[in-house]
Amino acid sequence: QKEVEQDPGPLSVPEGAIVSLNCTYSNSAFQYFMWYRQYSRKGPELLMYTYSSGNKEDGRFTAQVDKSSKYISLFIRDSQPSDSATYLCAMSNSNSGYALNFGKGTSLLVTP
Amino acid sequence: DSGVTQTPKHLITATGQRVTLRCSPRSGDLSVYWYQQSLDQGLQFLIQYYNGEERAKGNILERFSAQQFPDLHSELNLSSLELGDSALYFCASSTGRSGGYTFGSGTRLTVV
Repeated sequence: QKEVEQDPGPLSVPEGAIVSLNCTYSNSAFQYFMWYRQYSRKGPELLMYTYSSGNKEDGRFTAQVDKSSKYISLFIRDSQPSDSATYLCAMSNSNSGYALNFGKGTSLLVTP
Repeated sequence: DSGVTQTPKHLITATGQRVTLRCSPRSGDLSVYWYQQSLDQGLQFLIQYYNGEERAKGNILERFSAQQFPDLHSELNLSSLELGDSALYFCASSTGRSGGYTFGSGTRLTVV
């Protein structure tokens, strides 16, 4: 069993919809939680970074972490065709030098 | 441009050969991470260097090695290449603390 599980999708939504992306994990030692966006096998781009439990908002993006349930989410409001990409969750802890454990990514398609 | 430079962008080589991938981190970043991305395994952590010293090791094969030089650039050496080593290889850099990394655009390795 992988430490980080993520539904690969694909997920297809109409423009303007609210998108919900999720990951579960098994390692309770994870402290830092991130979401990356990756276009067409380019380098992943950091979208959101959260430490421990709680919510964080940045523009149209909201990240939520629930450590008690070992569950993290990314919400995208007013989704745009330019949001079409693969979204990767990632997490780390200080014990492993902050090496990131990634989910396999969810492929998102926003249709006009 | 993320500030992390990886060369070459593409590499095609034969089985049994050896290649070297190069990474220059963002200015000021002391930590360099190497990741392998394949279609079936997703992004897998290989190895981390911090200010010239190995800090953490992931699922790195014995045929692979890396180092970080005094000017902080890093090289990933892959030897006795097999078809299964074909993948995208990403380098990422950070300050070495807990924050999210910045990824380079990757080297696409094809072993034929």
